[in-house]
Amino acid sequence: DQQVKQNSPSLSVQEGRISILNCDYTNSMFDYFLWYKKYPAEGPTFLISISSIKDKNEDGRFTVFLNKSAKHLSLHIVPSQPGDSAVYFCAASRNTGNQFYFGTGTSLTVIP
Amino acid sequence: EAQVTQNPRYLITVTGKKLTVTCSQNMNHEYMSWYRQDPGLGLRQIYYSMNVEVTDKGDVPEGYKVSRKEKRNFPLILESPSPNQTSLYFCASSKGISNQPQHFGDGTRLSIL
Repeated sequence: DQQVKQNSPSLSVQEGRISILNCDYTNSMFDYFLWYKKYPAEGPTFLISISSIKDKNEDGRFTVFLNKSAKHLSLHIVPSQPGDSAVYFCAASRNTGNQFYFGTGTSLTVIP
Repeated sequence: EAQVTQNPRYLITVTGKKLTVTCSQNMNHEYMSWYRQDPGLGLRQIYYSMNVEVTDKGDVPEGYKVSRKEKRNFPLILESPSPNQTSLYFCASSKGISNQPQHFGDGTRLSIL
């Protein structure tokens, strides 16, 4: 059973606009959430993370929001750039656990 | 340069012929893990290792073996590969699991005929 879900397989956004990627999870014990970015023929690379004690974390153009009551997190990219075109995975883990759980990915295309 | 190195990058083989995918990291990380990526299923964890000689099953361990004799190496072994193990495989490492992002290799594409 998929504990981390990304319900949008793809997203297209115009350059300069905001990209919003969504992720839902089912396990309320998750307390650390991450976003990874993946280009073709490469491994995923870490983008940004958030601990469950926060509801927002920002790093340059990237902001992750966490809504614990809704078990939902989102990644905002603003402004979007063509180089942001990639597959984005969200992931979660528990402080007391030993595993990472990944979503199915969202393919973002930023149109110049 | 900090990196996770997987070999081979591509392999086409036949059912039943044992194969090993190697993974090595140069960051002195304790935690290492193997994932497979399949369309519509995302990344699923096969096995992980918390440290030398400590390994455990992930979500999809059937048909795979691992070993962790040295801290830097974490090979994935398919004793008798089958076509349903055709997939894209990633090795990853991190300092630990608590609040630690993983570093991934560039992937190994396996085709089992």
